Amino acid sequence: EAQVTQNPRYLITVTGKKLTVTCSQNMNHEYMSWYRQDPGLGLRQIYYSMNVEVTDKGDVPEGYKVSRKEKRNFPLILESPSPNQTSLYFCASSWQGSYEQYFGPGTRLTVT
Amino acid sequence: AQRVTQPEKLLSVFKGAPVELKCNYSYSGSPELFWYVQYSRQRLQLLLRHISRESIKGFTADLNKGETSFHLKKPFAQEEDSAMYYCALTPKGYNKLIFGAGTRLAVHP
Repeated sequence: EAQVTQNPRYLITVTGKKLTVTCSQNMNHEYMSWYRQDPGLGLRQIYYSMNVEVTDKGDVPEGYKVSRKEKRNFPLILESPSPNQTSLYFCASSWQGSYEQYFGPGTRLTVT
Repeated sequence: AQRVTQPEKLLSVFKGAPVELKCNYSYSGSPELFWYVQYSRQRLQLLLRHISRESIKGFTADLNKGETSFHLKKPFAQEEDSAMYYCALTPKGYNKLIFGAGTRLAVHP
């Protein structure tokens, strides 16, 4: 089944403890992206990647890192999480030049 | 600045009533506009895009460049339409999606 998967789906952590949220797609998409969803703000792009080893900042990149070593994977790294990063995170992917993005199920992160 | 505005956080209607979810955008060029939907406990998915001018699940949306709007309409709402709806814009030539804050549609029996 063609899909985008994220792990973990739920995570509660403490301030400053490094964490990684994984994202994987099996559709051979070139483009991958991370969004965070907050009440009243919709989804905002954190980082995106046009292809392997090509990443760039989105609208809210502060406090996050990403890497794209393989086409299928696009992990989101929080080196030192803070409470203001408590949010619902979505990974998405698409073919280059395609406007339809396929979304993962979301990861709910709570930082205390 | 590129921005998408959905003025209603919640739209509550009865089954069979017409529905219009409003979306206004700010973009200097020719945007690509979309509606995404998120049903309860499901992932976000594309509902329709202006470029295809299609009707999906009875929903349509017309791009009005003069009013910079892309409102989503359905003549007769169904209970299964209850969901969160997001209007989104893609700047031409980019894969990036700029989302509005979303409107929750609640259709009551």
